[in-house]
Amino acid sequence: GESVGLHLPTLSVQEGDNSIINCAYSNSASDYFIWYKQESGKGPQFIIDIRSNMDKRQGQRVTVLLNKTVKHLSLQIAATQPGDSAVYFCAENNPGGSYIPTFGRGTSLIVHP
Amino acid sequence: GAGVSQTPSNKVTEKGKYVELRCDPISGHTALYWYRQSLGQGPEFLIYFQGTGAADDSGLPNDRFFAVRPEGSVSTLKIQRTERGDSAVYLCASSKDRAGELFFGEGSRLTVL
Repeated sequence: GESVGLHLPTLSVQEGDNSIINCAYSNSASDYFIWYKQESGKGPQFIIDIRSNMDKRQGQRVTVLLNKTVKHLSLQIAATQPGDSAVYFCAENNPGGSYIPTFGRGTSLIVHP
Repeated sequence: GAGVSQTPSNKVTEKGKYVELRCDPISGHTALYWYRQSLGQGPEFLIYFQGTGAADDSGLPNDRFFAVRPEGSVSTLKIQRTERGDSAVYLCASSKDRAGELFFGEGSRLTVL
């Protein structure tokens, strides 16, 4: 299930289950969105991106869904593996200004073998 | 190089001291970003370079923070008169252009005693 921890929202799943990580973004003008994965002690790593003219984009075992009406993104991971355990961040790029990626708070995914 | 390199990986200093953190981006990447990440939070934007110039420094918290990229490659983040609240992981990222995927280094963990 999903719970709010002391520092980060946490999602705990069993190996082989599908995971859904949610993100609410802040700026209705943002037109580019990216999901990053961050393992302990490392920098964030790109997973998948989506532009605002799309509702869905699929990669290998991952799917990103974009709902612009409610400013919501989700990352779906199929057949979750222990190696998927990490913190996941969504980031949004706003075409106003310098187009700097702005990161959300993150969700900690814990995969139990 | 193969990836973004940041040095030092760990830095412990005393309150009031001066600190420099170095970032060596991926060769050929014109865009370079500095972010700061506190425990349990997403990366917080500090400054963005396009080539040698700081295109956006709106994230620098105050005038104790400064960054340079004199030859459009290596960048140095400089922090004067460090305070305990500066303790965080400082992340550097580079990309081919301002709208592209960010490649992050592993970060420099700064601890101010």
